[in-house]
Amino acid sequence: GQQLNQSPQSMFIQEGEDVSMNCTSSSIFNTWLWYKQDPGEGPVLLIALYKAGELTSNGRLTAQFGITRKDSFLNISASIPSDVGIYFCAGQLGGGSNYKLTFGKGTLLTVNP
Amino acid sequence: NAGVTQTPKFQVLKTGQSMTLQCAQDMNHNSMYWYRQDPGMGLRLIYYSASEGTTDKGEVPNGYNVSRLNKREFSLRLESAAPSQTSVYFCASSVVRGREQYFGPGTRLTVT
Repeated sequence: GQQLNQSPQSMFIQEGEDVSMNCTSSSIFNTWLWYKQDPGEGPVLLIALYKAGELTSNGRLTAQFGITRKDSFLNISASIPSDVGIYFCAGQLGGGSNYKLTFGKGTLLTVNP
Repeated sequence: NAGVTQTPKFQVLKTGQSMTLQCAQDMNHNSMYWYRQDPGMGLRLIYYSASEGTTDKGEVPNGYNVSRLNKREFSLRLESAAPSQTSVYFCASSVVRGREQYFGPGTRLTVT
């Protein structure tokens, strides 16, 4: 089945630093999604990408859909303490029955004030 | 607009007991999903409903049943709980299959 490799597994940064994380797949996807999960809460959608090469921003967050359709990147600029949490990527092939999301295992982000 | 709601928030069961997890969405979405989240395993799809009246198995359906009661509600039933079903369960919905999914707050289930 499809697998997503998300890296890094964890990051410990200082407030104000920029953050980058990525997901790669052995298969192509037609949709890439990025979620954030706070402790004890459900995942919250941050950015949705539907087109290869697409670059989309949401405030201090920027995500890109890789041109090969096998990867995606999430950048967070000028991190703040409330950015702490687990960030998940998810990919979806789409079409027919292939619309199930495949999730990465997450990047745990810790921000030191 | 509450989005996706789930009840209960916490539950403790003894092995062999049954229970139903409830999920409702008020976004007029057609598709709904049930996931479980375990440490080191990420989110895994249990069952989904592409539209009202249809349900299909996901990646880990054994030991579970679902009911799409109407467009708003999608329930997950454990007929005979096992310790391996200790997990956090999330319900999600999307406007149609293939679009971004929105998650509920989760139900934390412990089976002893």
